[in-house]
Amino acid sequence: ETGVTQSPTHLIKTRGQQVTLRCSSQSGHNTVSWYQQALGQGPQFIFQYYREEENGRGNFPPRFSGLQFPNYSSELNVNALELDDSALYLCASSFRQVWNEQFFGPGTRLTVL
Amino acid sequence: DAKTTQPPSMDCAEGRAANLPCNHSTISGNEYVYWYRQIHSQGPQYIIHGLKNNETNEMASLIITEDRKSSTLILPHATLRDTAVYYCIVGGGADGLTFGKGTHLIIQP
Repeated sequence: ETGVTQSPTHLIKTRGQQVTLRCSSQSGHNTVSWYQQALGQGPQFIFQYYREEENGRGNFPPRFSGLQFPNYSSELNVNALELDDSALYLCASSFRQVWNEQFFGPGTRLTVL
Repeated sequence: DAKTTQPPSMDCAEGRAANLPCNHSTISGNEYVYWYRQIHSQGPQYIIHGLKNNETNEMASLIITEDRKSSTLILPHATLRDTAVYYCIVGGGADGLTFGKGTHLIIQP
């Protein structure tokens, strides 16, 4: 059984640029959620995807968008990067029926300069 | 989702039981209590969840008070590898998990 994987592990961008982060779900999981974790804080929910559609969204602006593919892998896209977007971005997968039992990847550390 | 209150930090001696409290006085009837932990530089890890009854699995036990306004996560024999931030989360909808700041549990040798 393969766990949740994310790429890249680290990324440095400049303000105003766009970034795409990738996530491969744990085998058999059909739901993926993305979280942002600033230093010293708990993870904050960005959005969730199920059957390739956004199924729930936290308090994040539209420049945060996502995709889920037929194989349940997912992307998080952030446009017009701001300095405050610097954070650890976590992807979590789960079964739809027990979506609160989420399996997290190791995260992508994004630094915006 | 209901809010939770946890102590910011706790110490526990290796080999002893670690008891982590959580208050969730505004929990509603259909909301579950979830516990996750995050070891430094890793993603959060699911531990256990419950609704009304006490629950136990290979990692921990969850004790929920009868009025459901508080709960305790018990790690029966803490090891150094249990040093982590422990998050108590209450929810039941499709709005994602709402993490607070959690409790930083430090296991002392």
